[in-house]
Amino acid sequence: NAGVTQTPKFQVLKTGQSMTLQCAQDMNHNSMYWYRQDPGMGLRLIYYSASEGTTDKGEVPNGYNVSRLNKREFSLRLESAAPSQTSVYFCASSERWEETQYFGPGTRLLVL
Amino acid sequence: QKEVEQNSGPLSVPEGAIASLNCTYSDRVSQSFFWYRQYSGKSPELIMSIYSNGDKEDGRFTAQLNKASQYVSLLIRDSQPSDSATYLCAPMEAGSYQLTFGKGTKLSVIP
Repeated sequence: NAGVTQTPKFQVLKTGQSMTLQCAQDMNHNSMYWYRQDPGMGLRLIYYSASEGTTDKGEVPNGYNVSRLNKREFSLRLESAAPSQTSVYFCASSERWEETQYFGPGTRLLVL
Repeated sequence: QKEVEQNSGPLSVPEGAIASLNCTYSDRVSQSFFWYRQYSGKSPELIMSIYSNGDKEDGRFTAQLNKASQYVSLLIRDSQPSDSATYLCAPMEAGSYQLTFGKGTKLSVIP
């Protein structure tokens, strides 16, 4: 099992460009999450999907959209990237919302 | 907004010693508590979870929870250089889908 995979590993964008971060899990988990991690700020939840077909905002949703494409895949879209969105983005999944979250390897995003 | 406080460190301990990592949280409704380890440049990985007051042991790791004091700790016995990492505390409220992560404590185990 690959666990949680994320693509791309690293991306450079110019301000105003758009992109989609992809996440997939092969553990048959119901819940999936997107976090960002910034120096001195810790991990902050952007959006989550408690189950297939549902998505909800987390702590820092502004500037992002998500799609739960199916049970395996959960994508994060930046419609118009800003330098403040420079961060490391982690996708995670859990069997149920109250259980252990398993993290993907992360995507490093630099917005110039 | 829940606050999760951890000493940022770095916490330096000699190899073979006990490392003690502490975490306090601001709300009284958190029911589940998770400790994650994160190596530099890597993703967080679960070390332990604890749900009830008291101690929970798993190998060299012991988690301690005191809900009345809103305090959770992680002890690492016989610390090894490979334990050098940042340790993240993450409470979860009952009925919530959200983990709230502390900023982490950086542990350095000196050979």
